[in-house]
Amino acid sequence: DSGVTQTPKHLITATGQRVTLRCSPRSGDLSVYWYQQSLDQGLQFLIQYYNGEERAKGNILERFSAQQFPDLHSELNLSSLELGDSALYFCASSVGGQGRSGREQYFGPGTRLTVT
Amino acid sequence: DQQVKQNSPSLSVQEGRISILNCDYTNSMFDYFLWYKKYPAEGPTFLISISSIKDKNEDGRFTVFLNKSAKHLSLHIVPSQPGDSAVYFCAARAYYGGSQGNLIFGKGTKLSVKP
Repeated sequence: DSGVTQTPKHLITATGQRVTLRCSPRSGDLSVYWYQQSLDQGLQFLIQYYNGEERAKGNILERFSAQQFPDLHSELNLSSLELGDSALYFCASSVGGQGRSGREQYFGPGTRLTVT
Repeated sequence: DQQVKQNSPSLSVQEGRISILNCDYTNSMFDYFLWYKKYPAEGPTFLISISSIKDKNEDGRFTVFLNKSAKHLSLHIVPSQPGDSAVYFCAARAYYGGSQGNLIFGKGTKLSVKP
């Protein structure tokens, strides 16, 4: 158990809908990262938050957004969903945002999103 | 353009033998490399890492080797155990003038260790 929790575990929704994925980092971790893993693909970095502020952006679509709240949990919002958005979405956390404390990231179990 | 490549989608090894998982990269700005292990229905688990200033790092049965001139790293597992059967991801992080970038992952290699 990494200490990172994600809810829900599974989500099935229709095209055009909007969903929210939730992540709680490990106790003491200030950084939260979101990744997408599509079929036969590696993990694609989406976005990072550090202590409530956006730190880095990767290949995140404009239909997707995220935020980190004062209690450090984070939410990833996916809107106008398309079939191609079906994937595993992982959240990870680390102590810091960069340097030694930001290198090892600890992953949650993921949310499997199926868009029909 | 894949910056981190794991060219072998799968690898099968006999229990007790050595498992060697390979990873190639293209970005010379990468300064830190990590290996993650992933079991089905679980998130990736950090396994071992190596800084670009080193060429070897060892932790128990796991050793990571880095060859910077060849832009190649490998993970050795000795001896391999059936519980090591999982997907292994290689990841790298770039250093851009004082600001570390984010992790870039390979597509993974599925290791099967047969009893």
